[in-house]
Amino acid sequence: QQPVQSPQAVILREGEDAVINCSSSKALYSVHWYRQKHGEAPVFLMILLKGGEQKGHEKISASFNEKKQQSSLYLTASQLSYSGTYFCGTFRGGTSYGKLTFGQGTILTVHP
Amino acid sequence: EAQVTQNPRYLITVTGKKLTVTCSQNMNHEYMSWYRQDPGLGLRQIYYSMNVEVTDKGDVPEGYKVSRKEKRNFPLILESPSPNQTSLYFCASSFRHRGDEKLFFGSGTQLSVL
Repeated sequence: QQPVQSPQAVILREGEDAVINCSSSKALYSVHWYRQKHGEAPVFLMILLKGGEQKGHEKISASFNEKKQQSSLYLTASQLSYSGTYFCGTFRGGTSYGKLTFGQGTILTVHP
Repeated sequence: EAQVTQNPRYLITVTGKKLTVTCSQNMNHEYMSWYRQDPGLGLRQIYYSMNVEVTDKGDVPEGYKVSRKEKRNFPLILESPSPNQTSLYFCASSFRHRGDEKLFFGSGTQLSVL
């Protein structure tokens, strides 16, 4: 079952902030975030593990609320290079290693 | 250079003509997987493999086959392609580390089935 991302699309001006949410109906072991630029493959941003701390990547950070089975990606002072589609991927743990399920994606557009 | 190599990059075929998309990684990763990407649906996993000769279905396995005879290779086989399999396909590999698995993606294969 795919996690649900919101919003589906965001339009920003350079320097503005954005939050992308990822929600699952199942208990999660970890949440992954990837960014895909147009015409390219997805690229890893970060992983948040159950019981782990909030992680960051440059001006991009994320949190993971295990009880609510939700994760949020925070993009601060956005840059043009942040444009792309952001995917969260959820992993339920146990014996299902390798089974990473992605959300439908959030399209982020940053204008000058 | 560490990479996941997919071939071909673009493929146009006709309904029913068997095809294989190759995927190879040079990072000695245990895990490999195939995803298809369609507008509005995100990345959906087709099959994944935890090691040589160990494969399992993802979320959308119908119409696809895979094999993992060697650790580095994980081909995707469409024995009788249909138009609804027109999509962008990505192969990915990762190492196993308590769920902390960073996926490395290939550059993608755009498949059109006429």
